[in-house]
Amino acid sequence: AQKVTQAQTEISVVEKEDVTLDCVYETRDTTYYLFWYKQPPSGELVFLIRRNSFDEQNEISGRYSWNFQKSTSSFNFTITASQVVDSAVYFCALKSQGAQKLVFGQGTRLTINP
Amino acid sequence: EAQVTQNPRYLITVTGKKLTVTCSQNMNHEYMSWYRQDPGLGLRQIYYSMNVEVTDKGDVPEGYKVSRKEKRNFPLILESPSPNQTSLYFCASSLSRTGGLNTDTQYFGPGTRLTVL
Repeated sequence: AQKVTQAQTEISVVEKEDVTLDCVYETRDTTYYLFWYKQPPSGELVFLIRRNSFDEQNEISGRYSWNFQKSTSSFNFTITASQVVDSAVYFCALKSQGAQKLVFGQGTRLTINP
Repeated sequence: EAQVTQNPRYLITVTGKKLTVTCSQNMNHEYMSWYRQDPGLGLRQIYYSMNVEVTDKGDVPEGYKVSRKEKRNFPLILESPSPNQTSLYFCASSLSRTGGLNTDTQYFGPGTRLTVL
């Protein structure tokens, strides 16, 4: 069975602080894909990043960075110098190669206070 | 602009009145899917389609129908809506259902908030 756990239900920080959102996954498949999506207050789901199981290189995109560690089955997301516009619910998701659906975590509600 | 569109974005209806939520993508994607999002239950897959005329059930298909007559469209049909179908619905598409670099990312529509009274 596949499972994604986002243990942090809610996080609240003050603007400009760094914040890390945790994601732990379970799968028996050797080839799989990990994703992060952002759901702002307007409700849409915005794709942020995809990582393949065979590529453990960390990635940085502006203030966003992702740390993928197969040894701990984790795919954590860090926002550096957070801004109010980063306030949203963030979902981590897992999909095995050939699988028909994304398995989502429960989401982490991030609030950035001015 | 590459996108997935859904209509309507908001809908309030009454029990038993048939409705259709449309989904369209302009990226020539093979795979399309419907999810519903509910508090405490997260996102769950309703139906998916691997290509034209090929559809299959997801985790929560009861009370829903779909069709895939054209590659770009994947409507969700509620023949007799009930209050437990009140939810936020998302359509998603990806280039291919199988693995491979840059083919499996699912892009989501803006969502349809449905209320069944």
